[in-house]
Amino acid sequence: EIVMTQSPATLSVSPGERVTLSCRASQNIRSDLAWYQQKVGQAPRVLIHDASVRAAGVPARFSGSGSGTEFTLTISSLQSEDFAVYYCQQYNVWPSWTFGQGTKVEIK
Amino acid sequence: QEQLVESGGGVVQPGRSLRLSCSASGFTLTSYAMHWVRQTPGMGLEWVAFISHDGSNKDSADSVKGRFTISRDNSKNSLFLQMNSLRPDDTALYYCARESLWRPGSHFSDLWGQGTLVTVSS
Repeated sequence: EIVMTQSPATLSVSPGERVTLSCRASQNIRSDLAWYQQKVGQAPRVLIHDASVRAAGVPARFSGSGSGTEFTLTISSLQSEDFAVYYCQQYNVWPSWTFGQGTKVEIK
Repeated sequence: QEQLVESGGGVVQPGRSLRLSCSASGFTLTSYAMHWVRQTPGMGLEWVAFISHDGSNKDSADSVKGRFTISRDNSKNSLFLQMNSLRPDDTALYYCARESLWRPGSHFSDLWGQGTLVTVSS
């Protein structure tokens, strides 16, 4: 089973700051990675897929990069609506998705 | 508006069964592979089961294999999860999730339901 490890677990930031979240896969997953945002009481929503492709309707301040085992989600200027938990997900070993444990982005 | 709505959750005793449903609206379920994913505060998001668009291929996590069965009725635009021999560690919020058609091989989810809560307790 591929293990996805996210860091940090929690990030305290101020609105307007640049945010970088990391995700590491235990083995090579090429670019078969998605990032999801989950707000309290809501279902996950895809932000990035194929490591760097922004999903439809996602603001341009969200970007993804990486391949192989190291991936990054960047929010260029954090907005108030971006405070949430972010998960990475691999789909290289399909159909058994595996998710990272999440990074909570909270208000500083 | 494309939407997935889960139902069937509740409180059940260990060893009993429960059947979850996921109803699709605003799109035709027939075209899509589907998954069940569960979420707990301690374990985060855990993939549970998969079914291909026509039901010919299925798979499930080792933690539920032999106890949970995924199925679908495309004529009713619905997905199901039959859960037998439930255990306390099956307690979770269960989501159905649609697999994207963005391109072959890109198996991320582009639509999730709001989830249905299953609590296994005596």
